[in-house]
Amino acid sequence: RKEVEQDPGPFNVPEGATVAFNCTYSNSASQSFFWYRQDCRKEPKLLMSVYSSGNEDGRFTAQLNRASQYISLLIRDSKLSDSATYLCVAFRAGTALIFGKGTTLSVSS
Amino acid sequence: ETGVTQTPRHLVMGMTNKKSLKCEQHLGHNAMYWYKQSAKKPLELMFVYSLEERVENNSVPSRFSPECPNSSHLFLHLHTLQPEDSALYLCASSQGAGLAYNEQFFGPGTRLTVL
Repeated sequence: RKEVEQDPGPFNVPEGATVAFNCTYSNSASQSFFWYRQDCRKEPKLLMSVYSSGNEDGRFTAQLNRASQYISLLIRDSKLSDSATYLCVAFRAGTALIFGKGTTLSVSS
Repeated sequence: ETGVTQTPRHLVMGMTNKKSLKCEQHLGHNAMYWYKQSAKKPLELMFVYSLEERVENNSVPSRFSPECPNSSHLFLHLHTLQPEDSALYLCASSQGAGLAYNEQFFGPGTRLTVL
């Protein structure tokens, strides 16, 4: 079983739609979680951190459920510019980041 | 130059060639990383350097040899590679590595093709 698993998609949605991505992790020792965004043929960039209490940044909401070892990312009012691959990432002390394969989102007009 | 830069951006090499990938960070960070990104696979950590010392090597084949001469520069020396080594090689840097999360900043990557 992969340590961080994501539905690869692709998710094809129209502009304005709400879309949710899910991610599960297998190692309960993982301490911190993040969503990175990777545009086509570009490098990954940090989108947002994920906290148990949930956190929101504009149209983006991230949620962590430690009991279920589950992380989510919700994007509201999708824009064309949101088209990218979203990487779910876990961190454990003493290791570097552990990436999921990514979920591809395509937003169309 | 700002951020993390990598050269070359594209590289095609034969299995008997020797080449090197270069990474430079201009962020004042003290940890640097090499990742491999293959199609349909998650980013795989290859090497971690913290304060110019290698702290992690995820069982990478010896045909990949890293070098970190100072905190700003990281190299990946390649020799006798295999076609399955074709991938995007990403360099990243962060302020510290290990006990606490530090945001990693990635370079644009080198797209390597092994013929």
